[in-house]
Amino acid sequence: AQKVTQAQTEISVVEKEDVTLDCVYETRDTTYYLFWYKQPPSGELVFLIRRNSFDEQNEISGRYSWNFQKSTSSFNFTITASQVVDSAVYFCALSEAMANAGGTSYGKLTFGQGTILTVHP
Amino acid sequence: EAQVTQNPRYLITVTGKKLTVTCSQNMNHEYMSWYRQDPGLGLRQIYYSMNVEVTDKGDVPEGYKVSRKEKRNFPLILESPSPNQTSLYFCASQGRASQREQYFGPGTRLTVT
Repeated sequence: AQKVTQAQTEISVVEKEDVTLDCVYETRDTTYYLFWYKQPPSGELVFLIRRNSFDEQNEISGRYSWNFQKSTSSFNFTITASQVVDSAVYFCALSEAMANAGGTSYGKLTFGQGTILTVHP
Repeated sequence: EAQVTQNPRYLITVTGKKLTVTCSQNMNHEYMSWYRQDPGLGLRQIYYSMNVEVTDKGDVPEGYKVSRKEKRNFPLILESPSPNQTSLYFCASQGRASQREQYFGPGTRLTVT
């Protein structure tokens, strides 16, 4: 069974601090996708990044960076120079492969419990 | 604009009164899914559908029904809501294997008293 663990329930930082959100996953699939979503106070889910299991390159997008390590089954997310607008709940998720008549497609997302990030001015 | 819509966005109801939350997508996606979000549990899948007339249970299907009569619509039905179904519900859709991202609706906050 798929499992995603975000051990940090809540993190509180002061603006301009760097913060890393941890994500550890379990899967028996050799092919899978990992995601990060942001949920601001307004409640919608905002897609941040998708990484497939064959691509272990780290990625940087502005103040955001992601460190994917298959050896430790981790997909951590770092925000550099945090801002108040970064305050949100962040979810890590894992997508398993599901077969259908047209071939294999990716469907169900297994989410972690979420990490509440609060950035104080 | 590509989007997933849900209605209603907010709903307060009483135990036992049947309700339907609608979900519609305009991207011609085959795959649609319902999730519920609860504090400390993240999002958990309720039901999913791989295509028209093809639905299956997710991790927490008890107390819910779905149907997929048209490709664009995937309503979530609570025949007899109970207070433990008070939650935030999200509908999602996804296209073929080359499109790995799931698109989420804005969420429906349901309170059952």
